[in-house]
Amino acid sequence: DAGITQSPRHKVTETGTPVTLRCHQTENHRYMYWYRQDPGHGLRLIHYSYGVKDTDKGEVSDGYSVSRSKTEDFLLTLESATSSQTSVYFCAISGQGPQPQHFGDGTRLSIL
Amino acid sequence: GNSVTQMEGPVTLSEEAFLTINCTYTATGYPSLFWYVQYPGEGLQLLLKATKADDKGSNKGFEATYRKETTSFHLEKGSVQVSDSAVYFCALSPLYNQGGKLIFGQGTELSVKP
Repeated sequence: DAGITQSPRHKVTETGTPVTLRCHQTENHRYMYWYRQDPGHGLRLIHYSYGVKDTDKGEVSDGYSVSRSKTEDFLLTLESATSSQTSVYFCAISGQGPQPQHFGDGTRLSIL
Repeated sequence: GNSVTQMEGPVTLSEEAFLTINCTYTATGYPSLFWYVQYPGEGLQLLLKATKADDKGSNKGFEATYRKETTSFHLEKGSVQVSDSAVYFCALSPLYNQGGKLIFGQGTELSVKP
């Protein structure tokens, strides 16, 4: 299995609070991704990174920011969480070229 | 643009039944195609892949053939088991892929009854 660790695995927080999710990889892969998964919507890309300090927006980036200061870590931040951001968040990694992505086990985030 | 369409679920089958989950795509040129499986409470796992027309991907008894003429990549298994109950996602990687992004279908839930 690809070495991907997401933390925390579960989190409950209140509307308006900041939240940071962490994705850590041990594969030295170039690309890292954050998705959210919601019933009826499948997987939707939030942000992705193609290298240290190189990131770009996905299809549902509003309300989220990311940072990648090291190859192995990709952080997703909700600056001021809202109930609509209650979801399961997945991190994924991939190498160069048309490679498959490998996924972490997800973070279940509930915002009350 | 690029897109993936999967048959809607849930699909409910009896053990040992034949499975087909349809997947069609829209893309320029020859994308790479993938099937992922997600078991309850887990992340997505790569099930199989195909990178060019007429390729057949296979794994754990599942198969899918890359059909350029029908722009399809249907997932099949001859005899399903209860342990195959999961959500299955079809995905493509565009030919000129910036950022290694994948385009996912909506997912098809499979439930296999004993």
